[in-house]
This record gives sequence, structure tokens and C-alpha cells, in this order.
Amino acid sequence: KAGVTQTPRYLIKTRGQQVTLSCSPISGHRSVSWYQQTPGQGLQFLFEYFSETQRNKGNFPGRFSGRQFSNSRSEMNVSTLELGDSALYLCASSLSPTPGSGETQYFGPGTRLLVL
Amino acid sequence: QKEVEQNSGPLSVPEGAIASLNCTYSDRGSQSFFWYRQYSGKSPELIMFIYSNGDKEDGRFTAQLNKASQYVSLLIRDSQPSDSATYLCAVKEDNFNKFYFGSGTKLNVKP
Repeated sequence: KAGVTQTPRYLIKTRGQQVTLSCSPISGHRSVSWYQQTPGQGLQFLFEYFSETQRNKGNFPGRFSGRQFSNSRSEMNVSTLELGDSALYLCASSLSPTPGSGETQYFGPGTRLLVL
Repeated sequence: QKEVEQNSGPLSVPEGAIASLNCTYSDRGSQSFFWYRQYSGKSPELIMFIYSNGDKEDGRFTAQLNKASQYVSLLIRDSQPSDSATYLCAVKEDNFNKFYFGSGTKLNVKP
């Protein structure tokens, strides 16, 4: 079974621009979560989507948004980029038929974003 | 905000020794705990998860959970240089598919 895929793998943008990242979950997985990883803050939860609905949200500003399509693929958008948005953005998928189920998450390779 | 604390390390152990990685968490009601390994420049990969108090073994890895003391640990027996990586502890929020990660412990296994 293919793993979680993310595109693009690397991205360079300038301040003020916007960016869209894409994630395809493992086949059959309906939950997609997004994380930001930086050396200073570690792995921080952005949001989770399940059946095209945002089910959970972390403490990030509204510049960070996402969506999920009917095939469970997800996109994350960051508008008005800031230097501090430079990070590794990780997508993780899980089966998660119901909240609280014991299913764990499997991570994609990540998109490394550099904001200049 | 739920807290997950790990010693950042680095933790250095000789090849063949037992590496012991520890993690504490703030939410006493947490039920699900996970250990991930992350090599430099790579994404985290799941090592194992544990839900019940006590030990859970998988090959060279043993996870230990003590809910009363709110800590979870990972033991790596017969450590190999290929085990050198950052180990992330994660706690899953009950009733939500939301994970809180510690900052990770960097492990160096010296040949």
C-alpha cells in the first residue's frame, strides 16, 4: 500500500505571498492532519480534516487554512507569508472512523517551505 | 494546552547498550501514547504505541507506561548506530484525533 504523499517537497517563497501544499493520504484513510515543525517549536498541530470537514484545530492564525476533498486528499494554504512560516509542513493520515478511536497517524515526507 | 515534556539530549550510548528515553505529560486523563523516530531531514515514523499501564515489547523496543506518575518511556535494547535519531513522544487527546508532541530526544549510538 502506498504511503502518504506530499507535494511539492520543497518550496521557496517571499514574504507576503501565499502558498498551497497538497497531501494524499494512505488509501482508505479518511483523516488528514497537518503539522508545522520548526527547530524552536517542534511539531505543532495545525488542523485535522475528516470527511471534508475540519474536525480539530490548533492555535495558529487564520492565515493558515485547509480543506479536504471527497477523495480524502487535502490541501493546506498559508496566505501573507511571514519569515516565521519557514518550516517543514507534515501531513499525517489515519483511518479514524470515529474520534477517540485508537488508530495512529502515519506521516508523509513533508514539504519544506522557505520564506525569504 | 496539553504539555508533553522530553529531555532534548543528546543522549549518547555505546553500541550494544540499552538506551532509555523518557517523556512526561500533563493531562492525567490521557489514554493513548506513541513513540516516533525521526531521522535528520526525514519525517517521523511510528515505532510503537501503548494504551495500558505496564510494558509493551516489540523486538528491541519496549514502551513503558505509568499513568499514576504520568510518564511514558521507551527502552531500546542492543542499541545500534542506525538507531541514532530523534525520538518523539506523542500523546493523543481523548475523543479527538489530535496529537501533542514532545520536542524530542536526540539519541547518539556510538560504534
